[in-house]
Amino acid sequence: DIQMTQSPSSLSASVGDRVTITCQASQDINKYLNWYQQKPGKAPKLLIYDASDLETGVPSRFTGSGFGTNFSFTITALQPEDFATYYCQQYEDVPLTFGGGTRVEIK
Amino acid sequence: EVQLVESGGGLVQPGGSLRLSCAASGFRFSNFWLSWVRQAPGRGLEWLAYIKQDGTEKDYVDSVKGRFTISRDNAKNSLYLQLNSLTVEDTAVYYCARGRWRGNFWGQGTLVTVS
Repeated sequence: DIQMTQSPSSLSASVGDRVTITCQASQDINKYLNWYQQKPGKAPKLLIYDASDLETGVPSRFTGSGFGTNFSFTITALQPEDFATYYCQQYEDVPLTFGGGTRVEIK
Repeated sequence: EVQLVESGGGLVQPGGSLRLSCAASGFRFSNFWLSWVRQAPGRGLEWLAYIKQDGTEKDYVDSVKGRFTISRDNAKNSLYLQLNSLTVEDTAVYYCARGRWRGNFWGQGTLVTVS
């Protein structure tokens, strides 16, 4: 199975901050990576697919980059509604696997 | 509006069975791969299974292979997950999602508690 290592596991930030989360795959996954946002008690929401493509309707302050084994996800200017947990997920191979999540908290 | 609504969760004893359902609306159900993903309390996400549009192709994570079965009824716009031989480690919120490689729409989840 492909292991996805996400870091940090949590971070504290202020509104307006730039926030970056990284995700490392245990093997080459090409560009086959999604990023999701999940708020407490809610289902995950797809933000980024194919490592860098923005899902329809998602604000442009969310960006993704990377290829192969190293990926990053950035929120360029954190908004109040962005405090949530973020997950990466690879789909290069089955089983599809998720990173452990990054909880973004208010400083 | 795309909607996915899970049902069928509840409290079950170890070794027991449950059948989860996911009712879909707002899109052409038969055109899409569908998936099940779960989340144990306070834990991360775990992909479980997906199924092709016509039901002819399925795959599962090893931890549920042989115990869980994914199926669909395109005439009823419904997705199912049969859960057998449940253990306490299967306690989780179970989500259905539209898509094979990425879930661009998700249901609200249904809680399965094995105790």
